[in-house]
Amino acid sequence: NAGVTQTPKFRILKIGQSMTLQCTQDMNHNYMYWYRQDPGMGLKLIYYSVGAGITDKGEVPNGYNVSRSTTEDFPLRLELAAPSQTSVYFCASSYLGVLDSNQPQHFGDGTRLSIL
Amino acid sequence: GENVEQHPSTLSVQEGDSAVIKCTYSDSASNYFPWYKQELGKGPQLIIDIRSNVGEKKDQRIAVTLNKTAKHFSLHITETQPEDSAVYFCAASNSGGGADGLTFGKGTHLIIQP
Repeated sequence: NAGVTQTPKFRILKIGQSMTLQCTQDMNHNYMYWYRQDPGMGLKLIYYSVGAGITDKGEVPNGYNVSRSTTEDFPLRLELAAPSQTSVYFCASSYLGVLDSNQPQHFGDGTRLSIL
Repeated sequence: GENVEQHPSTLSVQEGDSAVIKCTYSDSASNYFPWYKQELGKGPQLIIDIRSNVGEKKDQRIAVTLNKTAKHFSLHITETQPEDSAVYFCAASNSGGGADGLTFGKGTHLIIQP
């Protein structure tokens, strides 16, 4: 199993550009999450999904969109990139959610995104 | 929502000594407390977790303690080794009514001095 795979690993965008961060998992997990990590800070939840076709906002959803058309994939989209979105983005997955069963989350290795 | 405070932000210990990292949380309804280790350029990796019905859990050189009354939990690493150098994050589950997922502390940079 590859676990959680994120692409690309690095990306530089200009202000106003758009892009999609890809995340795929091969563990047949129901739950998937997107976090952002700013320097010296913990991870903050952007969006999460409890299954295909269902998404919900986390703590910091503004400026982002997500979709979940399959169990495996959970892409994160930035429509109008802003400097405040410069961060490292982590995707995670778990079989069930922490509210349901305290399932551990498995993380990808992140996408480093710079908005200039 | 949940708020997690983590201390210290940086911890330097001699190889072989013990390291302790402490976290406090605000929401008494939180019931799951994982600890993650993050190495440079990698995603967080779960190293140990504890649920609210348990006061202590141990896995070889790593242990976690939980005090629900005081709303704090701690990570203990004994006989530290160079490969323990990393950033460690504590987290608490978001309780019902909030988003599913975890609220993280700001991390502790653990440095093991040879």
